[in-house]
Amino acid sequence: NAGVTQTPKFQVLKTGQSMTLQCAQDMNHNSMYWYRQDPGMGLRLIYYSASEGTTDKGEVPNGYNVSRLNKREFSLRLESAAPSQTSVYFCASSETPGSSYEQYFGPGTRLTVT
Amino acid sequence: AQSVAQPEDQVNVAEGNPLTVKCTYSVSGNPYLFWYVQYPNRGLQFLLKYITGDNLVKGSYGFEAEFNKSQTSFHLKKPSALVSDSALYFCAVRDGGATNKLIFGTGTLLAVQP
Repeated sequence: NAGVTQTPKFQVLKTGQSMTLQCAQDMNHNSMYWYRQDPGMGLRLIYYSASEGTTDKGEVPNGYNVSRLNKREFSLRLESAAPSQTSVYFCASSETPGSSYEQYFGPGTRLTVT
Repeated sequence: AQSVAQPEDQVNVAEGNPLTVKCTYSVSGNPYLFWYVQYPNRGLQFLLKYITGDNLVKGSYGFEAEFNKSQTSFHLKKPSALVSDSALYFCAVRDGGATNKLIFGTGTLLAVQP
C-alpha cells in the first residue's frame, strides 16, 4: 500500500496563476483533509471531506476550492495564486469515527508563489 | 472550542537523557489526543493516541505519553533520547463531529545532541 500520495512534490507559480494539487489514498478511508503548514503556525485545516460527495470549509478556506472526485481522490485548487499561499500543503485521510481516529498524511507539496 | 498548546518552541536534550515534550489541551467533553512526528521534508507520522483507558500510552519508536486530566496535559516522553529522534513534534486534539478533524499545536522542535 502506498498510503496517501500527493502530486506534485514541488511547484513554483507566478501570482495569478492557477494550479491543482492532487491527493489519493489507497486505504479505503472515508474522510480526507487538506492542510497548510507555515512556520510557527502548525497545521491549519483548509477543507475537508467527511465522505465521498461532501466537502466543508476548514479554518482557512479563502482562495481555495476542493473536489472529492471519488472515494480515493481529493484535489485542492488555487484559482489565482497569491504570495500568501506560499506554504507546504499536506493531504491526509482517516477512517470513519468510531473505528479509528488518527489521520494518515501524505508527503506534502511545497508551493512557492512569486 | 477545542485547542492544544505546546509551550516550548524547542527542546534540547543530550543523547541518552530522558526527554519530555509538553502539551496542554482545552476541550469540551472527553479529549481524544494525539502525537505526530515530522522529520525534515517529510509528512507527519502518527506516534500515539489517547482515547480512553490507561493514562500512560505507549507508541512507536519507544515514545510514550502521559494523560493527566487534572492538569489537562498530554506530555510526550522517552526514557533515553537518540540523535535520530531530532524532529518536529506536534500535539493534536480531535475536533469531533462526523469526521476525525484534528486541531494541531504549533509544534516543538526536538534537538538531541550527541
